[in-house]
Amino acid sequence: AQSVTQPDIHITVSEGASLELRCNYSYGATPYLFWYVQSPGQGLQLLLKYFSGDTLVQGIKGFEAEFKRSQSSFNLRKPSVHWSDAAEYFCAVLTTNYGGSQGNLIFGKGTKLSVKP
Amino acid sequence: ETGVTQTPRHLVMGMTNKKSLKCEQHLGHNAMYWYKQSAKKPLELMFVYNFKEQTENNSVPSRFSPECPNSSHLFLHLHTLQPEDSALYLCASGRDTSYEQYFGPGTRLTVT
Repeated sequence: AQSVTQPDIHITVSEGASLELRCNYSYGATPYLFWYVQSPGQGLQLLLKYFSGDTLVQGIKGFEAEFKRSQSSFNLRKPSVHWSDAAEYFCAVLTTNYGGSQGNLIFGKGTKLSVKP
Repeated sequence: ETGVTQTPRHLVMGMTNKKSLKCEQHLGHNAMYWYKQSAKKPLELMFVYNFKEQTENNSVPSRFSPECPNSSHLFLHLHTLQPEDSALYLCASGRDTSYEQYFGPGTRLTVT
């Protein structure tokens, strides 16, 4: 069955430090992968997506993610974290039925990021 | 981000009330979704509409009734809800179901 695992429930980093949030997926076909961010009480904002091509994808707000097929991973990174990055981050995989006519997003449980001054 | 709007942003209702949540997308998309987000559970997909046709009903209780009159508007009609239905209800849209989704800000629902 398709699934997404975010092994870290909560991460705290210091402002200015680098960040890596982990995501592993289970999906038989070539995955379409996403990272979303959610501030408290808000909806989800798309940070970046991977459909095909270059395995290192750039997103908004200085985030990037690398698709590694051999490790079934799609980790999110940022070289220098800002206090405004404190939020919850969700990894997701788009699953499609046979023929690709119907797709659904499968979300991980999220990683909450706290930023220390 | 104003591509997907939701009203109201907050709603408090009693268990015998009937209310509706509204979602509107201004992105020209053909797929629309309702999700439920509770404090201790991951995002739960409730309903999917693609080109105004309901394509997914994820075992949602009948006290939740969706309506999609056109590709830009999506409603969630609520009646005789339970306290455990209190959650953040998120609407999303996509070009169709094979593309990324864009989310609205959500409606925070409290059932008393």
